[in-house]
Amino acid sequence: EDQVTQSPEALRLQEGESSSLNCSYTVSGLRGLFWYRQDPGKGPEFLFTLYSAGEEKEKERLKATLTKKESFLHITAPKPEDSATYLCAVYIQGAQKLVFGQGTRLTINP
Amino acid sequence: DAGITQSPRHKVTETGTPVTLRCHQTENHRYMYWYRQDPGHGLRLIHYSYGVKDTDKGEVSDGYSVSRSKTEDFLLTLESATSSQTSVYFCAISAGLVQEETQYFGPGTRLLVL
Repeated sequence: EDQVTQSPEALRLQEGESSSLNCSYTVSGLRGLFWYRQDPGKGPEFLFTLYSAGEEKEKERLKATLTKKESFLHITAPKPEDSATYLCAVYIQGAQKLVFGQGTRLTINP
Repeated sequence: DAGITQSPRHKVTETGTPVTLRCHQTENHRYMYWYRQDPGHGLRLIHYSYGVKDTDKGEVSDGYSVSRSKTEDFLLTLESATSSQTSVYFCAISAGLVQEETQYFGPGTRLLVL
């Protein structure tokens, strides 16, 4: 069964404390891995798309990486405004759908 | 901003009543999607559309129907709402020419079925 698992479920950091969020997947055919940010009461906001192992994308304090079995979202020197739920999704070849993980709720304390 | 609006943004209804949610886009994208988001389940696909009058089911389509009579509008209908359909509903579009390209989401509709 196609599955996307994110860990940890929740993460609390101090401002400036770098860390990583994990997205592991077991799918029959990966056609793309997507990272989104979701603030309370809002729709998911697109961050990155990764298509092949070894690919990396960066945006401000965020960097996404991809291997054959997992993706990491690295956050460097986070600020309180980086607090949000981060969602990972995988597009599966032939299934014509995105499969989402449960998300990681990130809190950055000042 | 992918030019997606959803209406209504909030709705309270009673069990057994029909409900229609609307998704409107301004940029003529081919692919449109309806998801629901629930605690413990994440985002799940209800239905999607790949063109005017072309739709298909997602993983949680029971109790839902959709219609797309114009490129810009994708309607989700709950024929007879049940309490299990209390959820937050998101519309999304694919901005590219192929379906696996990035999806962009609307602001959501919060539905409460009493």
